[in-house]
Amino acid sequence: GAVVSQHPSWVICKSGTSVKIECRSLDFQATTMFWYRQFPKQSLMLMATSNEGSKATYEQGVEKDKFLINHASLTLSTLTVTSAHPEDSSFYICSARVVTLKSNEQFFGPGTRLTVL
Amino acid sequence: GQQVMQIPQYQHVQEGEDFTTYCNSSTTLSNIQWYKQRPGGHPVFLIQLVKSGEVKKQKRLTFQFGEAKKNSSLHITATQTTDVGTYFCAGIGAGSYQLTFGKGTKLSVIP
Repeated sequence: GAVVSQHPSWVICKSGTSVKIECRSLDFQATTMFWYRQFPKQSLMLMATSNEGSKATYEQGVEKDKFLINHASLTLSTLTVTSAHPEDSSFYICSARVVTLKSNEQFFGPGTRLTVL
Repeated sequence: GQQVMQIPQYQHVQEGEDFTTYCNSSTTLSNIQWYKQRPGGHPVFLIQLVKSGEVKKQKRLTFQFGEAKKNSSLHITATQTTDVGTYFCAGIGAGSYQLTFGKGTKLSVIP
């Protein structure tokens, strides 16, 4: 199946710093990537939809100036958490969408665990 | 907006017992997907159901999509310790492309 990688897999940073997370589709091109956040023992919550070459679409309640998304190529999307605070500590997961005539699947990256001190 | 409800939230079973998780959408779905997330891992795609009343099997797992395309279930026969994890359903509303996840059912299997 399609492979999606994320880097870094975990990061610890000080409050007030910015953190960039990369999401790559390794063996396919993805015009659409999604960014999710998952708090402990909770479901995945969609943060934003990232379309190659255009501005991301953010879900209600997600600050676009805090969570900067760039989808510069068909294989790379980045999420930058700006001025991170402890409440931003979470598991961030990206996915890439593959649409065919028969299916509409998403392939998830391994996630990035962010801890803000 | 579209909501996907999943029950139960937790399920503890003895190894060998059966397990079922149910998913219900507030709106009609174009398709529903099921994912398994092992502790500390990321969601892994299990299956996609598209047709009304569809039933698909993967070894001990049976997936059903309701006739009205608003509900779905995952049934595991004779659970094993390797089945431990959280099972999420995720639906795509008719005319949409976004996945809306249920809250998941965390399965614990007691050896």
